[in-house]
Amino acid sequence: GESVGLHLPTLSVQEGDNSIINCAYSNSASDYFIWYKQESGKGPQFIIDIRSNMDKRQGQRVTVLLNKTVKHLSLQIAATQPGDSAVYFCAETAAGNTGKLIFGQGTTLQVKP
Amino acid sequence: GAVVSQHPSRVICKSGTSVKIECRSLDFQATTMFWYRQFPKQSLMLMATSNEGSKATYEQGVEKDKFLINHASLTLSTLTVTSAHPEDSSFYICSVRGPGNTIYFGEGSWLTVV
Repeated sequence: GESVGLHLPTLSVQEGDNSIINCAYSNSASDYFIWYKQESGKGPQFIIDIRSNMDKRQGQRVTVLLNKTVKHLSLQIAATQPGDSAVYFCAETAAGNTGKLIFGQGTTLQVKP
Repeated sequence: GAVVSQHPSRVICKSGTSVKIECRSLDFQATTMFWYRQFPKQSLMLMATSNEGSKATYEQGVEKDKFLINHASLTLSTLTVTSAHPEDSSFYICSVRGPGNTIYFGEGSWLTVV
């Protein structure tokens, strides 16, 4: 069945370093992928998205890379800050982009001062 | 400001009672809303798709008679947890697909069943 998974449950980085969070997806028909940040007790916050016709997309301090060949997605955070500490989820839309999302397991990012 | 509002943000109810959670789309009309459940230290799991004016579509394993969904207007969907049990304690989150297919999430509702 459809699934989206993350490789590492926890990532600990030093403040100022770059962070890379990975995600694997299984549905080759998915055409839209989103990274969310979730702080404790809050709903998911949109970070960046990418469509399947792209390999890379950059935002402010964040970059998402999509490798359709191996069905892999990554989120790169430059100059990680303490405020980046949170759980990060990748999500893919079901075929047809209905708005229904399939979430990965999540990676906890811990930023050490 | 918030695009999607959930209420209540926290609720405690007694086992066996029912509790209603509201999801409101504040900035645009939404014919479709989505309800997710998230247990501590776990990911979000889609429970159902709420369809305005018609029955909700439930994901496999989600009991439609226990989790009643009503989408009576283009800006409001409600999730009612009936005959709540402690194992229903969770974080319930709704989402709305807005203009340009952007997906907006509510701030979530913590349910504790005692």
